[in-house]
Amino acid sequence: EDKVVQSPLSLVVHEGDTVTLNCSYEVTNFRSLLWYKQEKKAPTFLFMLTSSGIEKKSGRLSSILDKKELFSILNITATQTGDSAVYLCAVEQVQGAQKLVFGQGTRLTINP
Amino acid sequence: DAGVIQSPRHEVTEMGQEVTLRCKPISGHNSLFWYRQTMMRGLELLIYFNNNVPIDDSGMPEDRFSAKMPNASFSTLKIQPSEPRDSAVYFCASSTDIYNSPLHFGNGTRLTVT
Repeated sequence: EDKVVQSPLSLVVHEGDTVTLNCSYEVTNFRSLLWYKQEKKAPTFLFMLTSSGIEKKSGRLSSILDKKELFSILNITATQTGDSAVYLCAVEQVQGAQKLVFGQGTRLTINP
Repeated sequence: DAGVIQSPRHEVTEMGQEVTLRCKPISGHNSLFWYRQTMMRGLELLIYFNNNVPIDDSGMPEDRFSAKMPNASFSTLKIQPSEPRDSAVYFCASSTDIYNSPLHFGNGTRLTVT
């Protein structure tokens, strides 16, 4: 069965800390891995990763994919209270045409 | 860009009643997806459409669920009859293409069936 596993499920840190969120997957016909941020409502897109070893970066957020070891990490440096959210990892399969398999999410809380 | 628009935002209904959720995708997007989110199972794909045609409905839990997309700017997800275990947040999402195009989610409909 295809699955995406995120860890930790919950993380509480202080403002200014750096955090690393993990996502491992076991899916057939992998096409891409995506990260989303979900605050109170809709998940919003962060990154799409298709190639191993190429870091995607947006401000204080960065992500990288390892297709050999089947995992991805999402790093957030100098965290702010506005980074508090659930971070979702999803994997797209070739035959599934955006039929994304989502992980359970990591609930990140940044305390001032 | 108005984003994906869903209605209603909240729906509370009694078991056995019919529920209809509505979605307006982003103009120009030709793929539309319905997802369900629960604490236990996370985000699950129910069905998706491409150019108004249902492509894969294997995620629809049972025959009580049905979805339509009569035109490029409107889709509905219907549950008849509803049951308490259907309580969840239902998200609609759209994208410009099936592949390599991130999904844009609506704000969801929180459904409570009592």
